[in-house]
Amino acid sequence: AQTVTQSQPEMSVQEAETVTLSCTYDTSESDYYLFWYKQPPSRQMILVIRQEAYKQQNATENRFSVNFQKAAKSFSLKISDSQLGDAAMYFCAYRSASGSWGKLQFGAGTQVVVTP
Amino acid sequence: KAGVTQTPRYLIKTRGQQVTLSCSPISGHRSVSWYQQTPGQGLQFLFEYFSETQRNKGNFPGRFSGRQFSNSRSEMNVSTLELGDSALYLCASSFGRDRTDTQYFGPGTRLTVL
Repeated sequence: AQTVTQSQPEMSVQEAETVTLSCTYDTSESDYYLFWYKQPPSRQMILVIRQEAYKQQNATENRFSVNFQKAAKSFSLKISDSQLGDAAMYFCAYRSASGSWGKLQFGAGTQVVVTP
Repeated sequence: KAGVTQTPRYLIKTRGQQVTLSCSPISGHRSVSWYQQTPGQGLQFLFEYFSETQRNKGNFPGRFSGRQFSNSRSEMNVSTLELGDSALYLCASSFGRDRTDTQYFGPGTRLTVL
């Protein structure tokens, strides 16, 4: 079974600064997908970024980028130029690429606090 | 394009009752997955439906069941409610066809069991 670990319950960052959220996972599979979802106070889960395990290039989406280290089973999210609207709970999630396409396994989440 | 919708948004029930939650996926999506979110257990996968068939199931008791209709809308039912069933129930939809699939979530249904 796969497990996803987010060891930082909360991270604080000042506006315009950079924050990095860590995520590690455990799997015996070689082909899978990793995701970062954002859950603001409205509780709506929003996809931030996704990474395909067989792609070595790190995914980027505007101010969001990941550092994917497959051998180390690490998948960190970097938020650059932080904005007040980035304040939310961030979840790292794992999904197998073989069959269980509808099943995401989530970490416990990291609360990001953005201070002016 | 309309997003995933869930109804109702809030529910209050008492122990022993049953409840039905509804999820309408994004147009064209045929897979619907359900998740339970609680402060203690976090986000846990309940089950996934694709083309009216349950394709995956999480580790929840039989009191939790679901179904999917021909228009891909899905319902989740919880019978004999317990206090511990109080949670935010999220559904997510996707095309469900291949490995590149990405899930998009609805706003959730907040269930409170008294």
